[in-house]
Amino acid sequence: LAKTTQPISMDSYEGQEVNITCSHNNIATNDYITWYQQFPSQGPRFIIQGYKTKVTNEVASLFIPADRKSSTLSLPRVSLSDTAVYYCLVGDMKNQGGKLIFGQGTELSVKP
Amino acid sequence: DAGVTQSPTHLIKTRGQQVTLRCSPKSGHDTVSWYQQALGQGPQFIFQYYEEEERQRGNFPDRFSGHQFPNYSSELNVNALLLGDSALYLCASSSQGVGHSYNEQFFGPGTRLTVL
Repeated sequence: LAKTTQPISMDSYEGQEVNITCSHNNIATNDYITWYQQFPSQGPRFIIQGYKTKVTNEVASLFIPADRKSSTLSLPRVSLSDTAVYYCLVGDMKNQGGKLIFGQGTELSVKP
Repeated sequence: DAGVTQSPTHLIKTRGQQVTLRCSPKSGHDTVSWYQQALGQGPQFIFQYYEEEERQRGNFPDRFSGHQFPNYSSELNVNALLLGDSALYLCASSSQGVGHSYNEQFFGPGTRLTVL
C-alpha cells in the first residue's frame, strides 16, 4: 500500500484558496487518490477522488500530475466552517475490498 | 433517508470489562467497516463485514470481534478492555453492488469509548 505524506497543519484566512499537497511516491498503477474531511467529533466525509489530471466537484478540485507521485487538494474561498482535518488516501480500493488506510491528516485552521 | 447511525454516543468502562457497540448502515448499503481512532490520529481499520461474514481484518487482536445481522446492521465487541482501547470507534457503510464506488464510504458519528 502506498504511503502518503502531507503537512501536519496549515493556517488560512476566510476567502482564501487553500491548497493541501500530498506525496505518494510509491503509488501503484491501480491506485486511486481519495480525500476525506473530518470535523471534530464526527466521522470522516468523502470529498473527492481522482486517478489523473484534474477532477472538480462542488466542494473542491483535485490536481494530479502526470507522474501521479503527488496530488493537491484545492479548496476555493475557504470559510470558517472549512476548519477540519483533511486526509489523503491512496489505494486500489477494489482489490482492498474497501479498506481505507488513513494517515495523520492535515489540520486546517481557517481564521476570520 | 437516515445516514449511518451508531449507538451509544459515549461509553465509560473499566479495565477488563467487555463492550458492545452498534451500527446501522446507510439505506441501501450492505457492507460495514469498523475503525478505531485514537486522539490526534487518523482512523485505523479494524475489520469489514459483508454478507454476515468478516471479509477483511486489520492489525487488531482477537479481543476485537464483530457480527453482521441479516438487516446489514453490525456490532463491534471488545473483550478484556485495556486503557489503550480508549478511542472514537467509527462505523462506515458502503455497497458492494455494481456501480458503487468502493472509495466512498459513509461514516457515522462514532462512539466515544473511555476505559478507566
